[in-house]
Amino acid sequence: ETGVTQSPTHLIKTRGQQVTLRCSSQSGHNTVSWYQQALGQGPQFIFQYYREEENGRGNFPPRFSGLQFPNYSSELNVNALELDDSALYLCASSLGKVRNTGELFFGEGSRLTVL
Amino acid sequence: EDQVTQSPEALRLQEGESSSLNCSYTVSGLRGLFWYRQDPGKGPEFLFTLYSAGEEKEKERLKATLTKKESFLHITAPKPEDSATYLCAVQDPIYNQGGKLIFGQGTELSVKP
Repeated sequence: ETGVTQSPTHLIKTRGQQVTLRCSSQSGHNTVSWYQQALGQGPQFIFQYYREEENGRGNFPPRFSGLQFPNYSSELNVNALELDDSALYLCASSLGKVRNTGELFFGEGSRLTVL
Repeated sequence: EDQVTQSPEALRLQEGESSSLNCSYTVSGLRGLFWYRQDPGKGPEFLFTLYSAGEEKEKERLKATLTKKESFLHITAPKPEDSATYLCAVQDPIYNQGGKLIFGQGTELSVKP
C-alpha cells in the first residue's frame, strides 16, 4: 500500500512569486485535503477535493487554489506569495466524502519559505 | 466560534513518569474528536477517534478519554520514543463532507531517559 507522497519537500520563493505543490494520495483514496501548518501551530484547513471538485474551503484567500486529477492526485497553487505564507503545507487523503471518520492519512509535507 | 485548545503547550517527563495532556473544545454538536501524533519534520499520524462522552480508546502506553467539554490523553510509563507533538482535533460540525478538522495548537512532549 503506497502512502501519501508530497513534492517538493522544501522550497524557497520570494514575495510575489507563485508556487505549485503536488500530492499523490494513498492508494484507493478519492478525497484529498490540504492544510497549512505555521511553526508551533496546529494545521489549518485550506480546502478539500473529492472526485476532482472542490468540496469545501477554509478561511484562505482566492490566491490559494487547487486541482484534483482523475487519478486523485492533487495540486495546491499559491499566487502572489506573501511572507506569512511561509509554512509546512500538508496533504491528507481519505476514503469517502460523507461521514468521514476523521482518520486522515498525511504526507510529510512541503516546507515553503517566502523571503 | 468552534475552538480547540490544548494544554500544556510543552511537557517534559522522565522515562516512566506518567502524565496527561488536555484538549478542551467548544463546538456545536460534536461529531468526533481525534488525536494525532506528529514527529518533527513529518505529517501527523492518526491515533484515536472518540465520538461520545465516556468513550475510551487505548493503544500501547496511550489512553484517550472524552467528556462533554474535554478530552485527555493519558500516557502511562512513557518512553523516549513517545516524544512528539500530540494534536487534538474536532470535525467541523457545519462542514458536512468530512475531511475538515479543526486542530488545536498541540502539546510538545519530551521524554528523557
